Amino acid sequence: AQKVTQAQTEISVVEKEDVTLDCVYETRDTTYYLFWYKQPPSGELVFLIRRNSFDEQNEISGRYSWNFQKSTSSFNFTITASQVVDSAVYFCALSETETSGSRLTFGEGTQLTVNP
Amino acid sequence: DTAVSQTPKYLVTQMGNDKSIKCEQNLGHDTMYWYKQDSKKFLKIMFSYNNKELIINETVPNRFSPKSPDKAHLNLHINSLELGDSAVYFCASSPWTRSYEQYFGPGTRLTVT
Repeated sequence: AQKVTQAQTEISVVEKEDVTLDCVYETRDTTYYLFWYKQPPSGELVFLIRRNSFDEQNEISGRYSWNFQKSTSSFNFTITASQVVDSAVYFCALSETETSGSRLTFGEGTQLTVNP
Repeated sequence: DTAVSQTPKYLVTQMGNDKSIKCEQNLGHDTMYWYKQDSKKFLKIMFSYNNKELIINETVPNRFSPKSPDKAHLNLHINSLELGDSAVYFCASSPWTRSYEQYFGPGTRLTVT
């Protein structure tokens, strides 16, 4: 069965620090998709990125970057020069294409607090 | 235009009551979902419909009944509400192709007293 683990429950940093959120997943499928979502204090879930299991290229989008390593089953998320507006709960999620339908399996989330 | 909308945003009710949450998407997606987020922020899927057909039905008490009148709408009806049903319920949608991200509604915070 699929599983996503975000071992960091809470992280607190000071503005402008870099911070990495860890995500480790388990799956028996060879084709799968990984996602990151952001849940700010207002409560909505905002899609950040999708990565498929065949594409191990790292991705950068502004201050955000993602490091996908199939060998360690990890899909980590780094925020460079963090800002107070980055304060949110961040969820890593897995979608398997072969065995579990179109459901997203979420990790427990990491609460990131960026202090001024 | 809101892509995925839910009503109501807040719902406070007493134990034993029956309530419904409505969800609509204007993205033209074929698949819609209900997720439950508990007090510890854990998100878990409850149901999924593709083109009005139920395709995922997790271990959810049968007091919860989804209904999809058309592929743009997925409603959630809950009978005999219990304290443990208090949570935030999110509706989501996506294209049928499983590789795509799901787009979430704003959530409905249900409080059962």
